[in-house]
Amino acid sequence: EIVLTQSPGTLSLSPGERATLSCKTSQSVSSSSLVWYQQKPGQAPRLLIYGASIRATGIPDRFSGSGSGTDFTLTISRLEPEDFALYYCQHYANSPRTFGGGTKVEIK
Amino acid sequence: QVQLQESGPGLVKPSQTLSLTCTVSGVSISSGGYYWSWIRQHPGKGLEWIGYIYYSERTHYNPSLQSRLSISVDTSKNQFSLKLSSVTAADTAVYYCARDRGLLRDGYYYGMDVWGQGTTVTVSS
Repeated sequence: EIVLTQSPGTLSLSPGERATLSCKTSQSVSSSSLVWYQQKPGQAPRLLIYGASIRATGIPDRFSGSGSGTDFTLTISRLEPEDFALYYCQHYANSPRTFGGGTKVEIK
Repeated sequence: QVQLQESGPGLVKPSQTLSLTCTVSGVSISSGGYYWSWIRQHPGKGLEWIGYIYYSERTHYNPSLQSRLSISVDTSKNQFSLKLSSVTAADTAVYYCARDRGLLRDGYYYGMDVWGQGTTVTVSS
């Protein structure tokens, strides 16, 4: 099973700042298999990025993903008030699908 | 517009079986092309993939739950269901159903693109 480790656990930033979230996999994975989700309190996760860098439908271009091998990054270029939330990375595997532990982006 | 809606008891007694149903609208499960999935989230914790079913009734389960888990599909009702037996307090969580697009021929995994709103299940006597 591939383990995904996200850091930091919490990111305290102000609106307008840049957020950089990390997701490291326990072994090298194809970038085409890495996705990111956003989850707000009391809501289901929402797909943000697939293929490590491709924005899902309707996702603003302030969200971008990058990375390869074992190191992947989600960047929010300028934080909007609605971006303060939890973010999870996930890797495709036939079984089991695995999620990272999450990064909380909170208002400083 | 594709929508998923979970339903089932919010309270289950220890050692009993947790049963949930996900009703799908806007797309036919029998049309294929998707993996209909269950994910759970323990209170204040991260996401745990439970398993999925394909319209052909092919299933794949999280090995950590496999011995207690059954996922089935009813294409006539456009629903899929989860049964988790011998539950304990550790199974208390919000349970989500989701549509997983799987790995497509272009080599990309398109992720879980549609989710239900989630249903809270508490295991307690």
